[in-house]
Amino acid sequence: GAVVSQHPSWVICKSGTSVKIECRSLDFQATTMFWYRQFPKQSLMLMATSNEGSKATYEQGVEKDKFLINHASLTLSTLTVTSAHPEDSSFYICSARGVLFTEAFFGQGTRLTVV
Amino acid sequence: RKEVEQDPGPFNVPEGATVAFNCTYSNSASQSFFWYRQDCRKEPKLLMSVYSSGNEDGRFTAQLNRASQYISLLIRDSKLSDSATYLCAVNFGGSNYKLTFGKGTLLTVNP
Repeated sequence: GAVVSQHPSWVICKSGTSVKIECRSLDFQATTMFWYRQFPKQSLMLMATSNEGSKATYEQGVEKDKFLINHASLTLSTLTVTSAHPEDSSFYICSARGVLFTEAFFGQGTRLTVV
Repeated sequence: RKEVEQDPGPFNVPEGATVAFNCTYSNSASQSFFWYRQDCRKEPKLLMSVYSSGNEDGRFTAQLNRASQYISLLIRDSKLSDSATYLCAVNFGGSNYKLTFGKGTLLTVNP
């Protein structure tokens, strides 16, 4: 399968600061990237879908001004959690899909802890 | 009704057992279906795509029933290494191929 790299794998930050998470497709061009959030013992909840060069589409209930998504190239998307609060602590996972694939491939995930 | 609903589990089975997971979906226009495996504190990994004709990969068999809107995953001769959470995922259609996941079913295979 295709390789998606997510960085960092874990981060601890202070309440009120911003955190940027990167998602890169290493061996294919990702026309679409997805950002998910997963709380303990819960399923993956889609936060937003981004297509290269256009604005992200956010799912209902996800604040676009708090979770900034940029998909400036076919191999890189970033998620910035702005003014993070302890309730934002979660496992954030990206996935990427190329034109030739029906399935999407996941990054390793980022465990965010806000203290 | 939830868009994708999955057996809540958890399942605890002995080694060698056969175990089946089911997942129902609400949108009859759904286009593609998958089973993922997620180990603790890791990202999901694609286990199998699910086709109408059914598909098999070693000890794993996946089936799709469009009329009843469910997919299933059968694991035969379960191994200790099969212990994980199994997630079903459905693409409801649309150009982005976004996936909606079930809540996952935790499987523990005991020696």
